[in-house]
Amino acid sequence: AQSVTQLDSHVSVSEGTPVLLRCNYSSSYSPSLFWYVQHPNKGLQLLLKYTSAATLVKGINGFEAEFKKSETSFHLTKPSAHMSDAAEYFCVVSIGGSQGNLIFGKGTKLSVKP
Amino acid sequence: NAGVTQTPKFQVLKTGQSMTLQCAQDMNHNSMYWYRQDPGMGLRLIYYSASEGTTDKGEVPNGYNVSRLNKREFSLRLESAAPSQTSVYFCASRVRDSAYNEQFFGPGTRLTVL
Repeated sequence: AQSVTQLDSHVSVSEGTPVLLRCNYSSSYSPSLFWYVQHPNKGLQLLLKYTSAATLVKGINGFEAEFKKSETSFHLTKPSAHMSDAAEYFCVVSIGGSQGNLIFGKGTKLSVKP
Repeated sequence: NAGVTQTPKFQVLKTGQSMTLQCAQDMNHNSMYWYRQDPGMGLRLIYYSASEGTTDKGEVPNGYNVSRLNKREFSLRLESAAPSQTSVYFCASRVRDSAYNEQFFGPGTRLTVL
């Protein structure tokens, strides 16, 4: 069965320092993986996705993630945090095949201190 | 392009009342989805419609019904609301029901059942 685990429920960084949000997945198939961001009282916006092409995926707003099959990980990083990055981030795995239902992690809340 | 729109944005119901949440997309997507978001739980799939004329249950369908009115519109109905249905509801759409395609989300409906 497919599942996704976000290892931290809350991460706090200072503005200008690196961001690391950790995600591990479990999938019987070769997975599709996504990171979504949700700003307060807003809907979800796609940051980036992995669909079996390049293992290092670049997304919007300077975020990137690396797919590591041996570690079953898909961690999200950004070299330098900005105040506007404060939000909740969801790691998502797609079941696979023709039915592409999404399995969401429980989310990581990112706080950015000035 | 408005993307995915949802109405209403906020709603307060009393236990036992009924209501319908509306969702529409203008991206000519085939697949549409309803999720609920509860604190610390991520998003959980209620129902989905892989294409016009079809609907299927997701992870948490009890207490809900859906209608895929046409390709653009997918509504969610609560026949007899319960306090356990207090949540934020998101509608999403996808070009087709495939693992490789991301979903696009609406802004959400915040529902409180007293």
